[in-house]
Amino acid sequence: NAGVMQNPRHLVRRRGQEARLRCSPMKGHSHVYWYRQLPEEGLKFMVYLQKENIIDESGMPKERFSAEFPKEGPSILRIQQVVRGDSAAYFCASSTGQGNGYTFGSGTRLTVV
Amino acid sequence: GESVGLHLPTLSVQEGDNSIINCAYSNSASDYFIWYKQESGKGPQFIIDIRSNMDKRQGQRVTVLLNKTVKHLSLQIAATQPGDSAVYFCAENRGYQKVTFGTGTKLQVIP
Repeated sequence: NAGVMQNPRHLVRRRGQEARLRCSPMKGHSHVYWYRQLPEEGLKFMVYLQKENIIDESGMPKERFSAEFPKEGPSILRIQQVVRGDSAAYFCASSTGQGNGYTFGSGTRLTVV
Repeated sequence: GESVGLHLPTLSVQEGDNSIINCAYSNSASDYFIWYKQESGKGPQFIIDIRSNMDKRQGQRVTVLLNKTVKHLSLQIAATQPGDSAVYFCAENRGYQKVTFGTGTKLQVIP
């Protein structure tokens, strides 16, 4: 069981470029969650997805950010036209969706220069 | 409640002593609670959980206490070791809803 796999581990983008963060959930998990974390701060919820559906996107900025979890393949968090303030660690977690917590990936650390 | 960008409070403990980390949760309807440990540069790691029909649960060197009356959760770590140094988050969950994280506490173990 490989756990939750996120890639890349580190991503550097120039202002205005696009960032694509990938997350493959644990085997048997069909629910994926994305969280953002600034240094020395807690985890801020962004979006909750099931296969082909967005369940809760209340934490997603209205512009430039989007997420998907297609029928086949990993979940993608996409940030268009990145700005310095997007620099953070982005964590993905997965679960069975039955109210028993999550398993987290190791995160993608995005740096915008 | 959910992290709102506050800097993490820090708890410093002498190696070998017991640590107690406290957390207040917000949703009285939450029925499942989890403690996570996050080491520097890593993702949060599950430590222990507890359901709302319990008030205490023990693991290896860790105990979680739940007080639903005052919506309070605590994590006790016995005989704290240097490897316990990390940030600890409490989290709450209900059914199919997202897990909501507390602010977090940084535990520093003094050798």
